[in-house]
Amino acid sequence: DGGITQSPKYLFRKEGQNVTLSCEQNLNHDAMYWYRQDPGQGLRLIYYSQIVNDFQKGDIAEGYSVSREKKESFPLTVTSAQKNPTAFYLCASSIGVTDTQYFGPGTRLTVL
Amino acid sequence: SQQGEEDPQALSIQEGENATMNCSYKTSINNLQWYRQNSGRGLVHLILIRSNEREKHSGRLRVTLDTSKKSSSLLITASRAADTASYFCATDPSGSARQLTFGSGTQLTVLP
Repeated sequence: DGGITQSPKYLFRKEGQNVTLSCEQNLNHDAMYWYRQDPGQGLRLIYYSQIVNDFQKGDIAEGYSVSREKKESFPLTVTSAQKNPTAFYLCASSIGVTDTQYFGPGTRLTVL
Repeated sequence: SQQGEEDPQALSIQEGENATMNCSYKTSINNLQWYRQNSGRGLVHLILIRSNEREKHSGRLRVTLDTSKKSSSLLITASRAADTASYFCATDPSGSARQLTFGSGTQLTVLP
């Protein structure tokens, strides 16, 4: 069953803690993305990766870090340097960077 | 800054009516895509229209593209309550920065 998964669905974190959001795909896609969505807003690009072992900053990369050691996986770490991390985080993948993107179900992060 | 901007921000119609949403963008593009998002879920790709196409159909969806006006419209015919969702346009701008840019979306409510 092909698709893109994110875990966990809900995540709570105390201020000052780092937290890592998981994103896995078995679609054999080269490109993967992380977006942030705030209530009533569109998607803003945090980081993207065109290929394994490579990634690029998006529009709002400050306070976030990623790795792309495997084609299937693109974890996002929200660090304590991110001033306002409470948001809905969406991961996506595509064959290439301008092709149709397939989205995971999202992770809702709440900082207490 | 947002490349695509949807209009209206919110739209409420009765079941059976048609719904039209518009997207305007600023720079030249290779393609424009429309996505749908149910509340609290990931985005689902609806349709892609290339810069050399003027109109495209998929089921009850009709998308038009006017590159001279830098605008696109999404028409949903014979709407159903299940069409209630947010709809986003995403543009693939021409040039070296090959990544999709999402608008802020139109919230469509279809009343039974």
